[in-house]
Amino acid sequence: QSVLTQPPSASGTPGQWVTISCSGSSSNIGSNSVYWYQQCPGTAPRLLIYSSNQRPSGVPDRFSGSKSGTSASLAISGLRSEDESDYFCAAWDDSLSGVVFGGGTKLTVL
Amino acid sequence: EVQLVESGGGLVQPGGSLRLSCVASGFTFRSYWMHWVRQAPGRGLVWVSRINSDGSTTTYADSVKGRFTISRDNAKNTLYLQVNGLRAEDTAVYFCARAVDTSIRGVGYWGQGTLVTVSS
Repeated sequence: QSVLTQPPSASGTPGQWVTISCSGSSSNIGSNSVYWYQQCPGTAPRLLIYSSNQRPSGVPDRFSGSKSGTSASLAISGLRSEDESDYFCAAWDDSLSGVVFGGGTKLTVL
Repeated sequence: EVQLVESGGGLVQPGGSLRLSCVASGFTFRSYWMHWVRQAPGRGLVWVSRINSDGSTTTYADSVKGRFTISRDNAKNTLYLQVNGLRAEDTAVYFCARAVDTSIRGVGYWGQGTLVTVSS
């Protein structure tokens, strides 16, 4: 049981806009930055979003992050076949004094 | 280019120990917080531990507290994780990761991982 809650799956067609949600509490998302990672099978995770809505250099602007209260979202516009991956959210948790992750969302491009 | 190369994983019996290493290059290692994160086969990501830039502050997940020890040697650009009292549930790929930048401590850039298998 993960501290942050994500839907186990999401899907979309090429060119579509999709969002992945991440729900937490006042001790994590509510008071700290949210991070998003993309992980293709058999590879290391890749940072997509930090500080809730900032993109590292090299991440396409098709990926965007937002946060409101104790929830956060990752949006992907202009969906491409190569976006088919697992996506994880994360945040620092003040009560646990550690980083907590969501259980991951498997994105399928139909 | 940020490079993190883990090593030291392997097959170990329950109760055994290993020392995982992560050699960093492509950035000023001594300036960054570092993390260990693990992933059991077919499962999600689980944070294990972090250490500040000079090694004076460490934090652990409750599940490994008292059994795992994170450390670093800034002269060798190397991060370590000493894992003792291993259990079957510790079986996972262990990733070394660098903070996003020198002022943002969250998990940013990841190595490829090293597999630890705990089994008799």
